[in-house]
Parts: sequence; C-alpha cells; structure tokens
Amino acid sequence: DSGVTQTPKHLITATGQRVTLRCSPRSGDLSVYWYQQSLDQGLQFLIQYYNGEERAKGNILERFSAQQFPDLHSELNLSSLELGDSALYFCASSESRAPYEQYFGPGTRLTVT
Amino acid sequence: GESVGLHLPTLSVQEGDNSIINCAYSNSASDYFIWYKQESGKGPQFIIDIRSNMDKRQGQRVTVLLNKTVKHLSLQIAATQPGDSAVYFCAEIPFTSGTYKYIFGTGTRLKVLA
Repeated sequence: DSGVTQTPKHLITATGQRVTLRCSPRSGDLSVYWYQQSLDQGLQFLIQYYNGEERAKGNILERFSAQQFPDLHSELNLSSLELGDSALYFCASSESRAPYEQYFGPGTRLTVT
Repeated sequence: GESVGLHLPTLSVQEGDNSIINCAYSNSASDYFIWYKQESGKGPQFIIDIRSNMDKRQGQRVTVLLNKTVKHLSLQIAATQPGDSAVYFCAEIPFTSGTYKYIFGTGTRLKVLA
C-alpha cells in the first residue's frame, strides 16, 4: 500500500459525459501527479500540482482539467468524454516539487461506452 | 494495470538467476531516471532511481546502470524471485525550460520460471 488513495476504483460512463476522479496523496506529500495509462500508449504524464499550484504540464487535453485543494487532495476532471479516453488514470504523490520517489495510487479504471 | 495492449518484449528468467532489463532513452537533456515495477492490477511502484551524474546505483537486489554515451539504462535484478514477475519500465525526466518532463518507456514483461 503506497498511501495514495484514489476513488472511484471503476467508472463506466457514456460518450459526451463528464467525470471527476479523486486522489488523496500520502501524508506529508505536497506534489500530486496525474497519469493516463491506455492499452495502446503506455503511461502518459498529464499534469503536476505542488501545494495547490500547477507545476508541470504534459499531454493533457483541453477537455481535461485538474486542481489541488488546500487539504492537498486533487481532482481530475474529464469532460466531453470520447471512447479513446477509456484508460487507467493514476495519481502519484511526492514530498517536494521535484519528481523524486513518486508513490502511485491503485488507479481509476475509466470505461467510456 | 499493465500495458497489456502493447506488444511488450518479454524476458523469461529462471528463478534464482539474474535478470537484466534494458531501456533506451531519447533525450540527452534527461538528468534523472527511474525504474518502475508494475504488477497486474496495480499502480507502478518505484524501484530505484539514478541521476545523470552517476553511472551506477545499487539498491536491495537491484542495480541500475546508466550509459549516457549511448543513452541506455539497464536494471539488474539479482537472484530473481517469483515475486519479481511484473512489467518493468523506465522513465526519463529532463528538466527543460524551467519544468520537468516525464517520458516513460513502454516496458518489459519479466516472467520468472520456477
């Protein structure tokens, strides 16, 4: 158990819908990272927040957005969902703004039908 | 939680033997590298990291080697055990334009034979 929690574990929704994925980092970690792992592309970095502020941005679509709240939990919002958004979404956390020793949560499996 | 749709190379190793998993990275500006292990149905797990000012780093039963000349990274697992069966992938993390980038390899599936 990494100490990072993610909810929900599974999510099934229809195209065009909007969903919110939630992540609670390990106690004491200030950075939260979001990743997408699809069957045909492996692990892709989406975005990083450090202590509430966006720190780094990867291949995140404009339909996706994220935020980190004062209690350090984070949410990833996915809107206008397409079939291709079906994937595992992982959250990771680390102590500092630098990417050292990230601890991954168990993931949320999103299925868009 | 593994990249089952990808055509992952597979390394089959006899229990007790040493395993060597390789990774070629792309960005010469990468100054930090991580090896992850991902078991079926789970999130990636940090194994070991290395910075670009080092050639070798050892952990418990694992060693990472970095060859910057040919942009190659390897993970050596000593005395491979059944619990080592998983997908292993590397990550390169260049720091450019004031921000980190995160680039992941597709992974290698390690199968440990009893």
